[in-house]
Amino acid sequence: AQSVAQPEDQVNVAEGNPLTVKCTYSVSGNPYLFWYVQYPNRGLQFLLKYITGDNLVKGSYGFEAEFNKSQTSFHLKKPSALVSDSALYFCAVRDDQKVTFGTGTKLQVIP
Amino acid sequence: DAGVIQSPRHEVTEMGQEVTLRCKPISGHDYLFWYRQTMMRGLELLIYFNNNVPIDDSGMPEDRFSAKMPNASFSTLKIQPSEPRDSAVYFCASSRTSGNTIYFGEGSWLTVV
Repeated sequence: AQSVAQPEDQVNVAEGNPLTVKCTYSVSGNPYLFWYVQYPNRGLQFLLKYITGDNLVKGSYGFEAEFNKSQTSFHLKKPSALVSDSALYFCAVRDDQKVTFGTGTKLQVIP
Repeated sequence: DAGVIQSPRHEVTEMGQEVTLRCKPISGHDYLFWYRQTMMRGLELLIYFNNNVPIDDSGMPEDRFSAKMPNASFSTLKIQPSEPRDSAVYFCASSRTSGNTIYFGEGSWLTVV
């Protein structure tokens, strides 16, 4: 069975500071890993994904994520946070078919 | 591309009534997923289809819930009879072949009173 853990319910960061949202996963076989963002009253929007290749993946809105196979982690990062980045972030893992989401991390960027 | 289209966006219904939520996946996508999101339980996978065939419905809460996909461009999630605890946001999502990105609709916000 596959699983995703987002250990932090909420992350607070000052505007302009770097941010990290943590994710660890468990899956048999090669992982397909994703990050999504959800703004209030909206659906989940795709940010980026890792399938194979470079361990550092770049995505939308200046976000990037680092795949670490030995630590089974896929942390989301951004060098300089914006107030508009405040939202709910979900990590997800997919095997051949099924997609499993983490519980979500609320990111609060403080002006 | 129009994206995943869900209807209705909002529905308020009385306990005991039948509710039907509709979804049009992105054209060419052969996977379709139904999720439910609540504050208490987060995002739950209810059921998913591949090429219109239900693959895993283990997340469907009980017999009151049913889902169909009569063709590649349409799916329904039905709740009959509805109960207040069914109040949630129901998302439909679709993707191409396995391993690929799934794309979400804007959700159907259901309130059962």
